[in-house]
Amino acid sequence: NAGVTQTPKFRVLKTGQSMTLLCAQDMNHEYMYWYRQDPGMGLRLIHYSVGEGTTAKGEVPDGYNVSRLKKQNFLLGLESAAPSQTSVYFCASSNERGRSYNEQFFGPGTRLTVL
Amino acid sequence: GEDVEQSLFLSVREGDSSVINCTYTDSSSTYLYWYKQEPGAGLQLLTYIFSNMDMKQDQRLTVLLNKKDKHLSLRIADTQTGDSAIYFCAERFSGGYNKLIFGAGTRLAVHP
Repeated sequence: NAGVTQTPKFRVLKTGQSMTLLCAQDMNHEYMYWYRQDPGMGLRLIHYSVGEGTTAKGEVPDGYNVSRLKKQNFLLGLESAAPSQTSVYFCASSNERGRSYNEQFFGPGTRLTVL
Repeated sequence: GEDVEQSLFLSVREGDSSVINCTYTDSSSTYLYWYKQEPGAGLQLLTYIFSNMDMKQDQRLTVLLNKKDKHLSLRIADTQTGDSAIYFCAERFSGGYNKLIFGAGTRLAVHP
C-alpha cells in the first residue's frame, strides 16, 4: 500500500494564480483532512471530509476550496493565491471507529510558495 | 479556547533520556497523541494514551498523563541520533469528526 500520497511535492505560484493539490489514499478510509503547517505553529485544519461527496470547514478555511468526488481522493484548491498561503500543506486520512484511538495517516506534504 | 502548548526546542546528549512536555486545555479529550515528524516528511503516529490512563510504556517510550494539571509528557530513554525530529503533541476532542488540536511541535536535537 502506498498509504497517503500528495502531488505535487513543491510548487511556486505568483499572487493571483490558481492551483489544485491532490491527495490520494489507498486504505479505504472514510475521513480525509487538509492541514497547513507554518513555522512555530501546530498543524491547522483547513477543510475535512467525512465521506465521499461531503466536505466541511476546519479552523482556517478562507481562500481554499475542496472536493471529494471519489472516496480515495481529496482535492484542495486555491482560486487566487496570496503570499499568506505560503506554507506546507499536509493531507491526512483516518478510518473513524468510534471510540478507538483512530490514527490519522499523513502524506509527505506539499511545499507551496506564493510570490 | 482550544490550545495545546509545547516548548519549541530540546537538546540532549546521545544516550541520555529526553523528556518533552505538553499542556492541553480540553478536560474531555478522549485520546492524546505524540506524532513524530522527520525532516521533509509527514507526521507519523509515535504513541497515544487514552484519557483514563496515567501511564503508557512502549519500549523506549514512556507517556505520562496528569489529568488534573492537563499535562502530558513523552520520555525517550537512551536517546539516539535517529530520534532527532519534531515531536507534536495532539489532543482529540470527544465526539465529532476526530478533531485533533496540535501543539507547535518540539524540535529534539541529539548531539554526540
